[in-house]
Amino acid sequence: EAQVTQNPRYLITVTGKKLTVTCSQNMNHEYMSWYRQDPGLGLRQIYYSMNVEVTDKGDVPEGYKVSRKEKRNFPLILESPSPNQTSLYFCASSRDRGTRAFFGQGTRLTVV
Amino acid sequence: DQQVKQNSPSLSVQEGRISILNCDYTNSMFDYFLWYKKYPAEGPTFLISISSIKDKNEDGRFTVFLNKSAKHLSLHIVPSQPGDSAVYFCAANWGVRFGNEKLTFGTGTRLTIIP
Repeated sequence: EAQVTQNPRYLITVTGKKLTVTCSQNMNHEYMSWYRQDPGLGLRQIYYSMNVEVTDKGDVPEGYKVSRKEKRNFPLILESPSPNQTSLYFCASSRDRGTRAFFGQGTRLTVV
Repeated sequence: DQQVKQNSPSLSVQEGRISILNCDYTNSMFDYFLWYKKYPAEGPTFLISISSIKDKNEDGRFTVFLNKSAKHLSLHIVPSQPGDSAVYFCAANWGVRFGNEKLTFGTGTRLTIIP
């Protein structure tokens, strides 16, 4: 089954404690992205990757890092989380530029 | 600056009637538009898309209309069913022409179908 898998689904952490949210896709897609969803703001892109070792900033990259060492994985790293990073995060992948993206089920992160 | 706008946060429609969800955009570079549907506790799922070379695309009960001069698109659902109750996001991209992967989303419209 084609899918994008994120882990964990829920995470509560404290300010400043580094964390990683993993994302994996089994569709051999080149393009992968991270979004955050906040009330009244919709989905905003954090980072995206066009292929292995190729990443670029989206709309709200501050406070986040990503890496793309393998085609299937695209982890999101918060080196020093802060409360304003409390949000619902989605990973997505797509086959080509601009085509339909497949989304993971989301990770709800709370930073206290 | 919100480049993709969904001005109605919520919409209620009787089962069997037509649901019309609207979306406006400001960036004339956008050349590909998509609608996503999202249920609670799930990720968004792709619904339907339209390229800027078309003004209409249909898939079963779902039709998307694009008015480029007005920078407006709409999603029509006919007939509306209870399972259509969800949040609908409009998204736009100008990646096809310039190799940009970035999708810009609207803020979403919560559709409730009343049985």
